[in-house]
Amino acid sequence: AQKITQTQPGMFVQEKEAVTLDCTYDTSDQSYGLFWYKQPSSGEMIFLIYQGSYDEQNATEGRYSLNFQKARKSANLVISASQLGDSAMYFCAMREFMYSGGGADGLTFGKGTHLIIQP
Amino acid sequence: EAQVTQNPRYLITVTGKKLTVTCSQNMNHEYMSWYRQDPGLGLRQIYYSMNVEVTDKGDVPEGYKVSRKEKRNFPLILESPSPNQTSLYFCASSQGLAGTQYFGPGTRLTVL
Repeated sequence: AQKITQTQPGMFVQEKEAVTLDCTYDTSDQSYGLFWYKQPSSGEMIFLIYQGSYDEQNATEGRYSLNFQKARKSANLVISASQLGDSAMYFCAMREFMYSGGGADGLTFGKGTHLIIQP
Repeated sequence: EAQVTQNPRYLITVTGKKLTVTCSQNMNHEYMSWYRQDPGLGLRQIYYSMNVEVTDKGDVPEGYKVSRKEKRNFPLILESPSPNQTSLYFCASSQGLAGTQYFGPGTRLTVL
């Protein structure tokens, strides 16, 4: 089963509108972190925002906020007042913090959402 | 400036010719990791390192080697590259297991 699901392969949004990018996750761990990264066409991976599983408040970073609904296992990214420069691929990722050793122990990524901001 | 650097950024090579992609970070991070990104498959972890001389396999380790002799460096070695290793490779580092992973700029590798 996929650990991270992003159901929107692509989105077109008008400039200045708010955008919500969906992300649901699957884990049996109690301690984990959720991350959003932006990948512009130039290819680099840019960290945007982080939410810990024990954080009671939704994370915010400038125009980015994370709508964390733990019971639903969802961690949607909200971009307020979108700009043309927001056009990029956006990846949701999760990291489980119980080190198990002997296996993959990094970020698990979703397949991404390609966001295009139209003027 | 705090950063993760990778070299080379672009590489075209031929099947079987050994190559090394270097990764270096200046943030004194313990944790370092390599990922590959392929269309339709997303990013997948190749190898990771919890600290100097401590490395472990990720999801797709076959055909790759790593070493961690110094805290700042984590090179990725392809002993005998094959065309199915054509991909975009990212190195990342974080302060411990729970820290945010910061990515290098990526290395686009083509194996002919």
